[in-house]
Amino acid sequence: NAGVTQTPKFRVLKTGQSMTLLCAQDMNHEYMYWYRQDPGMGLRLIHYSVGEGTTAKGEVPDGYNVSRLKKQNFLLGLESAAPSQTSVYFCASSYRRNTSNQPQHFGDGTRLSIL
Amino acid sequence: GNSVTQMEGPVTLSEEAFLTINCTYTATGYPSLFWYVQYPGEGLQLLLKATKADDKGSNKGFEATYRKETTSFHLEKGSVQVSDSAVYFCALRKNTGFQKLVFGTGTRLLVSP
Repeated sequence: NAGVTQTPKFRVLKTGQSMTLLCAQDMNHEYMYWYRQDPGMGLRLIHYSVGEGTTAKGEVPDGYNVSRLKKQNFLLGLESAAPSQTSVYFCASSYRRNTSNQPQHFGDGTRLSIL
Repeated sequence: GNSVTQMEGPVTLSEEAFLTINCTYTATGYPSLFWYVQYPGEGLQLLLKATKADDKGSNKGFEATYRKETTSFHLEKGSVQVSDSAVYFCALRKNTGFQKLVFGTGTRLLVSP
């Protein structure tokens, strides 16, 4: 079972470059999320989506854009990378039904370094 | 706002020792509570959950009880193993409409043989 798959697993960018992080899930989940994980700060929600064609801002959306053109995919874009965006990025997904106690399923993360 | 506070780590234990990782929360109403575990190089995995007061979540020898009176959800295990070395995250989610998960900062557990 693939679950949640993130690509790439690791990337180094120069300041000002752009890139897209890919997330794919095969569990037919309605909800998908992008988080960043920084030392001493836990996970912070960047953007999320409650269904195909919809996106919404989380806690720390600035500098990122997202798209959910297909139910199984959720893309995170950095238009002009900055050193402050150096982090580990996690994608997650979950069912919509009975949202409050549904677990989120996480990918293995993308480690992004901006020089 | 909603928040989760965890004890700072790392927590260093010898194999077979008793584990407690403290977690307290602040939230209006009655949220659902979760413990997630992150093994090195991997994403977070749900370890256990509790959805109402006095519920006890358990999995793989770990337990946590939802204590409304103390707003706590402490993680315990009677005898840890080296393979339990990981980062543990406490999290909450409110039970009204769509609500995001709110994570604590994580506690690293190191178990030595």
